[in-house]
Amino acid sequence: RKEVEQDPGPFNVPEGATVAFNCTYSNSASQSFFWYRQDCRKEPKLLMSVYSSGNEDGRFTAQLNRASQYISLLIRDSKLSDSATYLCVVNLNNDMRFGAGTRLTVKP
Amino acid sequence: GAVVSQHPSRVICKSGTSVKIECRSLDFQATTMFWYRQFPKQSLMLMATSNEGSKATYEQGVEKDKFLINHASLTLSTLTVTSAHPEDSSFYICSARELLRDRNYGYTFGSGTRLTVV
Repeated sequence: RKEVEQDPGPFNVPEGATVAFNCTYSNSASQSFFWYRQDCRKEPKLLMSVYSSGNEDGRFTAQLNRASQYISLLIRDSKLSDSATYLCVVNLNNDMRFGAGTRLTVKP
Repeated sequence: GAVVSQHPSRVICKSGTSVKIECRSLDFQATTMFWYRQFPKQSLMLMATSNEGSKATYEQGVEKDKFLINHASLTLSTLTVTSAHPEDSSFYICSARELLRDRNYGYTFGSGTRLTVV
């Protein structure tokens, strides 16, 4: 089983749609969790950290379920500029492990 | 915010030559930096953890004699791909975390180096 698993997609959605990505991780001792965004041929950039209480940043909402070892990212009112690959990242003792990423394309 | 500078951004080299990639934390100190490799349409794969003043820790399957890592200061880590072959062609990215940041902050990435070995 992979340490961090994501649905690779691609997700093709119209502008304004709501889209959700899921991620599962295998090590229950994992300490911190993140969503990164990676544009084509660019480095990943931190989108948001993920907390057990859930957190929201504008149109983006992240949730963590430690019992199920599951992380989610919800994007509301999607924009063309949201098109990118979204990486689920799990940290254990400074060892960051990346999911393979979920590709999102938002179309006009 | 924290900035990590990585260069060169692109490099083309001949088989058998060596290539050095630099990763600098510009406005913070990083005792630990990480080196990743990403092949097209694949995830980032951790190659090694670079520790300031000590030997790097390599992931299983990564040849330490081929991928030489030096972390001589709190702001600079270098990765040298020795005797490069076409199969080493990839996107290499470094990352670092600011020394005083807590674990929920995440890591800052360099802009990556696209290596093509011909």
